[in-house]
Parts: sequence; C-alpha cells; structure tokens
Amino acid sequence: AQSVTQPDIHITVSEGASLELRCNYSYGATPYLFWYVQSPGQGLQLLLKYFSGDTLVQGIKGFEAEFKRSQSSFNLRKPSVHWSDAAEYFCAVGAQLGNDMRFGAGTRLTVKP
Amino acid sequence: GAVVSQHPSRVICKSGTSVKIECRSLDFQATTMFWYRQFPKQSLMLMATSNEGSKATYEQGVEKDKFLINHASLTLSTLTVTSAHPEDSSFYICSARDQGLHNEQFFGPGTRLTVL
Repeated sequence: AQSVTQPDIHITVSEGASLELRCNYSYGATPYLFWYVQSPGQGLQLLLKYFSGDTLVQGIKGFEAEFKRSQSSFNLRKPSVHWSDAAEYFCAVGAQLGNDMRFGAGTRLTVKP
Repeated sequence: GAVVSQHPSRVICKSGTSVKIECRSLDFQATTMFWYRQFPKQSLMLMATSNEGSKATYEQGVEKDKFLINHASLTLSTLTVTSAHPEDSSFYICSARDQGLHNEQFFGPGTRLTVL
C-alpha cells in the first residue's frame, strides 16, 4: 500500500529565504504525486503534481518540486518565501490518477518578517 | 477549471441529531467522489469512496451506519452524520474525480462540523 512521510511537522523561515519541504513516499511502482496547500479553515489548493516525464515540475505561486525515484522523494521548493506562504502543506500519493489519495501528516510553515 | 462545492461550510448541532453535508461538482460529472476527515492540526484521512449509483466503499474503521453516503447523481454526493456526538466534530472534505480531465481529483472547501 502507498504511504507518504513528511518528516518535518513545523518549519519556520524568514521572509525572502528559500524553502524546501520534504516528502518521502512508499509505493511499488511509479506513483502519482501531489503537493497541496491549506490555509486555516480552508480546503486544499493544488500546488503541483507529477505523473510522468520531466522530474522537475513547476507549480503555482512560484513553487516547484523534484521527483527523485532513487530516493523515493518529492520535495517541494521555493527560492524566496513570501509572508502569504504561511500555511499547512500536504504531500499526497496516488496509485493511479483519480483513485483515492494518501496524504502525509503535513508540514506547517511559519514565515518570520 | 473544475470546481467542487460543499454545503454547508460550517454547521453546529446538538448531540444526537443528524447532519447532512453536500458535495457538488459544479462544471463536470463525477462518477466517483471521496470523503475525507481532518482533525485539528492533523492530516486528511480517507473515510469512503462514493460511487454514483452504487454503494459507497468505506475505509477500515469507518462505521458505515454512522456515516451514510449517497451518490444519487453524477454531480452530487451527500454525507450524513447520524446521531452525531462531540467526537464527530471535525473538518470534512470531499473531492470529485473528473474523468474528462485525466481523472484528476478536485477538492471542495470543506465543512466544519461542531457537535455540542
């Protein structure tokens, strides 16, 4: 069964600094991978997704993620964080596009002025 | 883009009452919808898969008689929390699968349920 691990529960970065959120997955074949962002009391917004092809995927709001099969990782990055990026970030994996997804525990991002 | 709505966005009810939450795909048809539950500061946990015209598939540990799911049309799935208790208080999120968009899932904004 697929599973997702987000090792960092909480990360604090200064505004303007770079960001990397870690995500490791467990799945036998090539998974479908997603990053979502959730603001307090809100639903999920898709940042980016990986199905196949180029392992570096670009998303919205200046985010990108890189799929590394050898490390079973799909880390999310942003070169310069804005205060509005403070939120909860979830990595998710699906066995097949459209099937139910499994979510990581989430990483809460705090941005210092 | 594909949009999924949920109603109500927030509901407060007394213990013992039942609450119905609606999930609608506004601009696409969804034969499959998913219901998730999220406790404060925790991740989303899949509760059940809702299939249009057939019975829902529940995840292990989810009481199907407690959480009734109906997917009577291609654009609407409902989750009814029966005889709600304070421990059912949670954030409920649905998603809908768009078969016309490579089967991608789109999430609703969520429903905050508080049981007094």
